Amino acid sequence: GQQVMQIPQYQHVQEGEDFTTYCNSSTTLSNIQWYKQRPGGHPVFLIQLVKSGEVKKQKRLTFQFGEAKKNSSLHITATQTTDVGTYFCAADSNYQLIWGAGTKLIIKP
Amino acid sequence: DGGITQSPKYLFRKEGQNVTLSCEQNLNHDAMYWYRQDPGQGLRLIYYSQIVNDFQKGDIAEGYSVSREKKESFPLTVTSAQKNPTAFYLCASKRPVKSGGYTFGSGTRLTVV
Repeated sequence: GQQVMQIPQYQHVQEGEDFTTYCNSSTTLSNIQWYKQRPGGHPVFLIQLVKSGEVKKQKRLTFQFGEAKKNSSLHITATQTTDVGTYFCAADSNYQLIWGAGTKLIIKP
Repeated sequence: DGGITQSPKYLFRKEGQNVTLSCEQNLNHDAMYWYRQDPGQGLRLIYYSQIVNDFQKGDIAEGYSVSREKKESFPLTVTSAQKNPTAFYLCASKRPVKSGGYTFGSGTRLTVV
């Protein structure tokens, strides 16, 4: 079945450094969604991208959807402690969401 | 404010018992979902329902059962047949296509004692 691969599994950054997570699929995706899950919390929907080559920004977060609609990225500029958590990508497929494995953002003390 | 309410927040189950997790939404969403999340892992789909009185198995349905008698409610029963039920259970509903995304409840942490 359809799969979405997400890398890296973990990323350790100093506060103020940038963070990026990537999602890839071997097949064309109808859309890509991004979620954030704080430690001990539940996933919270951040954004959905639908169009080829789409780029959307939310303050320090930049989301991109590839031209072929097979890959996507989330970039956080100048990370803050409030950014800590796991970021998941997901894609709609046959009335379900296909989830990436998530990237855990860890701020180094 | 509209949202999804899951109860209880924490649940302890003895081996051999069935337990039911509650999920209620006042968002008027048609589609609802149950996911299981193990520590440090991603989300795995247990069951989903596109409409009242209809539901489908997800990837890990064995040992679980659901019902969808009302649009607002989608309870999940963890049966004694589920051999390793200790996990974080999340209920979600699908937002309208224009908005995109899913709304999640705050989850139920189930522990077998």
